[in-house]
Amino acid sequence: DADVTQTPRNRITKTGKRIMLECSQTKGHDRMYWYRQDPGLGLQLIYYSFDVKDINKGEISDGYSVSRQAQAKFSLSLESAIPNQTALYFCATSQTPGTGVLDTGELFFGEGSRLTVL
Amino acid sequence: SQQGEEDPQALSIQEGENATMNCSYKTSINNLQWYRQNSGRGLVHLILIRSNEREKHSGRLRVTLDTSKKSSSLLITASRAADTASYFCARRAGGFKTIFGAGTRLFVKA
Repeated sequence: DADVTQTPRNRITKTGKRIMLECSQTKGHDRMYWYRQDPGLGLQLIYYSFDVKDINKGEISDGYSVSRQAQAKFSLSLESAIPNQTALYFCATSQTPGTGVLDTGELFFGEGSRLTVL
Repeated sequence: SQQGEEDPQALSIQEGENATMNCSYKTSINNLQWYRQNSGRGLVHLILIRSNEREKHSGRLRVTLDTSKKSSSLLITASRAADTASYFCARRAGGFKTIFGAGTRLFVKA
């Protein structure tokens, strides 16, 4: 089984619909992230969370919201989807390093959720 | 944009040849990482080089870092068809953020 699992893997929806993408992880990491990937633009950070009570906006948070239901679960919502939110969405995790250990920032990614908004 | 620039955007080579991809960035870094993405799949971490390192090896991968030029390169030696993928550099700057470049698409012809 994958360490970082995203559902659904593919979703087609219509403009104005509410969509939730879910992410769960078994790596035991405390940090979780949502990224968006558009062709030719690399990955852009939408939201990140360092623990259950910590939620932060990334570079492109407008039109998105998130919920950290548990350490292992981090969901991304589009309250009213629009066509330019059509993209590949990735959840990622990382671990806060221990005392005296350098924080490398290495990320572990899920397989992605492809969202198409018509 | 905070994203780095990767060069080339796409690269097509024959199996057995070496593939070199370059990454430039604008601000200081703590480390630079390279990730691989097979088509439509998640990214996988390949190798990390710290700001005080100049070269690092992992199997057929060699990464160099020139902080004075704010650039890094990834060399894949003796490429294989299975190396066909997109490769991304990712900068770790101050704080927690990992910032990705737009990637290089590598196609290795058998």
